[in-house]
Amino acid sequence: SYVLTQPPSVSVAPGKTARITCGGNNIGSKSVHWYQQKPGQAPVLVIYYDSDRPSGIPERFSGSNSGNTATLTISRVEAGDEADYYCQVWDSSSDHPGVVFGGGTKLTVL
Amino acid sequence: EVQLVESGGGLVKPGGSLRLSCAASGFTFSNAWMSWVRQAPGKGLEWVGRIKSKTDGGTTDYAAPVKGRFTISRDDSKNTLYLQMNSLKTEDTAVYYCTTGDGDYGAFDIWGQGTMVTVSS
Repeated sequence: SYVLTQPPSVSVAPGKTARITCGGNNIGSKSVHWYQQKPGQAPVLVIYYDSDRPSGIPERFSGSNSGNTATLTISRVEAGDEADYYCQVWDSSSDHPGVVFGGGTKLTVL
Repeated sequence: EVQLVESGGGLVKPGGSLRLSCAASGFTFSNAWMSWVRQAPGKGLEWVGRIKSKTDGGTTDYAAPVKGRFTISRDDSKNTLYLQMNSLKTEDTAVYYCTTGDGDYGAFDIWGQGTMVTVSS
């Protein structure tokens, strides 16, 4: 089955840029979505189809996807961005097609 | 207001059954492809399965760990999604979320608040 690999944690100082990666075999050929989840809350979609932003999501959030890595970039990081972030794709290539999530990355704002 | 509200969670013994419900409002439920996603305590998100809209065939797909034990269904007249869970195992302990996305490749843009299922003797 398809595997998405994320770093367990990323730390960044306020005002700096955070980059969270999501690795997968030829992930550039897939559509990647990103979710933010704060403790005790449901996930919230922050980036869809690699780089589109839902209404209400700050422009500070952006995404890219090429080759074997997709990246969620958060510019001018704020304390309120501290959360877990998950990437997600649809895998149609295996015997069990379905939704695949990355393991998640905990973003810590120093 | 677009909303998904799950219910039916609780404590169940290994081998037991439980049915979760998800009430939808604020959008055309009958056109929506609906999924269940779970999250074990302290762990990441795991897709459970999905059901297509009836106009798109109404078929279901499941993740390997639950296939044959869990069944997803929908009642469009009640705007409600269901998850029937049988032969429950301790590893099924999780918060279960219902969510909706746009087709196979779409993102999940609406999420419920989740309902906790604990499988323990």
